[in-house]
Amino acid sequence: EAGVAQSPRYKIIEKRQSVAFWCNPISGHATLYWYQQILGQGPKLLIQFQNNGVVDDSQLPKDRFSAERLKGVDSTLKIQPAKLEDSAVYLCASSPGTLLQYFGPGTRLTVT
Amino acid sequence: KQEVTQIPAALSVPEGENLVLNCSFTDSAIYNLQWFRQDPGKGLTSLLLIQSSQREQTSGRLNASLDKSSGRSTLYIAASQPGDSATYLCAPFGGGSQGNLIFGKGTKLSVKP
Repeated sequence: EAGVAQSPRYKIIEKRQSVAFWCNPISGHATLYWYQQILGQGPKLLIQFQNNGVVDDSQLPKDRFSAERLKGVDSTLKIQPAKLEDSAVYLCASSPGTLLQYFGPGTRLTVT
Repeated sequence: KQEVTQIPAALSVPEGENLVLNCSFTDSAIYNLQWFRQDPGKGLTSLLLIQSSQREQTSGRLNASLDKSSGRSTLYIAASQPGDSATYLCAPFGGGSQGNLIFGKGTKLSVKP
């Protein structure tokens, strides 16, 4: 069974630029999560989708971050404009509706 | 708001030692608690999930315990191996007003051959 795929794996941008991350969850998983993990911290949930609907986006900085999950499968997370403090690893996870979440390898973003 | 603390932040042990990683959380109204492993440059892998009604779970050399009333969980690793070197994260589910995983900062474990 293929795992959660994310791309790109690494991205370096300058502040005020925009960036987008892509996630392909495990086939059949209805729930998809985006987490932000700052160096030395645990992951923090940004947004949770159930199929293509948003369940929880309470910690998503909506002035600069946006996410969508079209057709209830793939998802993209966008940052526009990026700030220095957005430097982090962005993790995508999916779940078939059980208590377990399956994580992708993450995208490491560096904002200079 | 649920807050999770993991002690120690880092641990270095010789191969073969038994060790304990500690996790404490502020709100005991949780549904379950998971322990994850994170390797550098990789995502998280779930190791053990303990339901709120359970007191412990075991998988191979790993044993996790949960004392919900005191807000504590421990991960016991028996006969540690160099391949166990990774960061271990504790994540209670629920508690406070949050219905999702809340992660601690993790314990970085290094097992020396």
